[in-house]
Amino acid sequence: GAGVSQSPSNKVTEKGKDVELRCDPISGHTALYWYRQSLGQGLEFLIYFQGNSAPDKSGLPSDRFSAERTGGSVSTLTIQRTQQEDSAVYLCASSWTGSYNEQFFGPGTRLTVL
Amino acid sequence: QQQVKQSPQSLIVQKGGISIINCAYENTAFDYFPWYQQFPGKGPALLIAIRPDVSEKKEGRFTISFNKSAKQFSLHIMDSQPGDSATYFCAARIAAYDYKLSFGAGTTVTVRA
Repeated sequence: GAGVSQSPSNKVTEKGKDVELRCDPISGHTALYWYRQSLGQGLEFLIYFQGNSAPDKSGLPSDRFSAERTGGSVSTLTIQRTQQEDSAVYLCASSWTGSYNEQFFGPGTRLTVL
Repeated sequence: QQQVKQSPQSLIVQKGGISIINCAYENTAFDYFPWYQQFPGKGPALLIAIRPDVSEKKEGRFTISFNKSAKQFSLHIMDSQPGDSATYFCAARIAAYDYKLSFGAGTTVTVRA
């Protein structure tokens, strides 16, 4: 079946503009995660959605970042007033519920803030 | 503050050689340790994972060694092939929390033919 898809694959924006990144998880997966991958760094957890529970937003780096998940499926990560340090690859993952369930990652969106 | 420290940052190995990547952690509550493989332009994909009740897990040419007392674990790639050239990430999670992987910084492996 289809894997996790993300759009756009690349996004170039000017400092101060808002951007929206989209994630389509694997159908039926109840958990959805956003991570950020900066050059030379590992993946940094941003936010986690699980079913209808309140999301865990503890990894969001500032209040310029927000995310929502509509209908328990598609998720959108929004970055307002982008800064150059926001430049990174933003990765989305999804999984079934369960302690050891594998997280399946999408290909990511490469964001460049000029 | 990185909870999982990974080394080396990069390594080059000849075809047929052994690649070894090491990771160390501090949080003794971690109880699930996956390794991810990432090719350029792709998202990470789960390669192999271990729980701390075993000291070694092998899948094909890939082996995880786990030392609970030292809080260290490593990935060995035996008979390395050019197709293994990728970035490898170790990670750790408190499984009961069901989410939030803590990743190492990654190791770029280049296998020379």
